[in-house]
Amino acid sequence: NAGVTQTPKFRVLKTGQSMTLLCAQDMNHEYMYWYRQDPGMGLRLIHYSVGEGTTAKGEVPDGYNVSRLKKQNFLLGLESAAPSQTSVYFCASRPGQGHANYGYTFGSGTRLTVV
Amino acid sequence: KQEVTQIPAALSVPEGENLVLNCSFTDSAIYNLQWFRQDPGKGLTSLLLIQSSQREQTSGRLNASLDKSSGRSTLYIAASQPGDSATYLCAVDAYNFNKFYFGSGTKLNVKP
Repeated sequence: NAGVTQTPKFRVLKTGQSMTLLCAQDMNHEYMYWYRQDPGMGLRLIHYSVGEGTTAKGEVPDGYNVSRLKKQNFLLGLESAAPSQTSVYFCASRPGQGHANYGYTFGSGTRLTVV
Repeated sequence: KQEVTQIPAALSVPEGENLVLNCSFTDSAIYNLQWFRQDPGKGLTSLLLIQSSQREQTSGRLNASLDKSSGRSTLYIAASQPGDSATYLCAVDAYNFNKFYFGSGTKLNVKP
């Protein structure tokens, strides 16, 4: 029972490089989320998805893109990395409405440094 | 906009003490409230989920209560242990189901 798996766990990028963070869940959850966590700022929602093929913007979407081509995967892309995107990124998922337990399950995080 | 506040920001107690962590929120129209634990450099582990129709949830030494009308939740930890040392976060689920508002956390240190 893997839950929510994020890859990679660590990454260092140079300014201007691009990369994709992968989130995979094996719980058949409808909803998936990408958050970033920064000291003193708490957790902030970047983008989310309410189902396969759908995405929506959260609080801090600028500089990021997402895709959810398969229900179990939610990809976060950085087109041109900036030092301000240095952060720890967390993916989360949850069941759809009507499920007995609406709680969130989080991945272990990806620590990204942009130099 | 929903705002979630956790007090205190940090807490240090000797082993064996019972303690209470507080979470307050500004909009009582919530779907549920979830308490998480985060260890340094790690992800968030769900501790307890309280749905809006419930008053409390218990798991082992943990008990979480919810008072929607006053916009408050408390996490009670009985007989604290050094292994309980972590940051505890509460998160409120707004009724549109797509927004999950986090508090800034309480960093707990339980001294042996």
